[in-house]
Amino acid sequence: KQEVTQIPAALSVPEGENLVLNCSFTDSAIYNLQWFRQDPGKGLTSLLLIQSSQREQTSGRLNASLDKSSGRSTLYIAASQPGDSATYLCAAYTGGFKTIFGAGTRLFVKA
Amino acid sequence: SQTIHQWPATLVQPVGSPLSLECTVEGTSNPNLYWYRQAAGRGLQLLFYSVGIGQISSEVPQNLSASRPQDRQFILSSKKLLLSDSGFYLCAWGGGTGETQYFGPGTRLLVL
Repeated sequence: KQEVTQIPAALSVPEGENLVLNCSFTDSAIYNLQWFRQDPGKGLTSLLLIQSSQREQTSGRLNASLDKSSGRSTLYIAASQPGDSATYLCAAYTGGFKTIFGAGTRLFVKA
Repeated sequence: SQTIHQWPATLVQPVGSPLSLECTVEGTSNPNLYWYRQAAGRGLQLLFYSVGIGQISSEVPQNLSASRPQDRQFILSSKKLLLSDSGFYLCAWGGGTGETQYFGPGTRLLVL
């Protein structure tokens, strides 16, 4: 049974800092790994999707990497801004119609 | 462009009362539709998914049911709410398996 874990549960950093969010999954047989952003009381917004054959994806200040063999993915945020404050969730697609989500990392960027 | 709507945004209901949450999608045809529940500090739990009108698959046996009366309408229902039904309910659509899912704004349900 696939399980997705995100550590830490919460993170507070000063503005301008580069940071890394971690995601681990127990079953390496995934088709893709996604990172989402969720603002308080809102739905999820897709940030990056990495196919199982890829190693990383980049969008602006965001870079996500995937290492299937070790069951890990990281989301790197460069030069963090207060507007980056949100909860970041990773999700592993395991086939069929099932996507397994982590509980998220709540990020607070201090101005 | 595609848009997904959910209503109501917030709902407070007494235990034992019925429930109906609605989700509609615009700008796409024959989408795969999903209902998730998000409890505080937990990941999203898939409740139901649908690949077409009248086709519903349940992932977790529970007090809830889902229906898809139209191509772009997905409804989550309950005949009698339990305290444990409280949570944040999210509807999503995805163009195909393995592709990204697009989420609605969510409905916060509090059962008292």
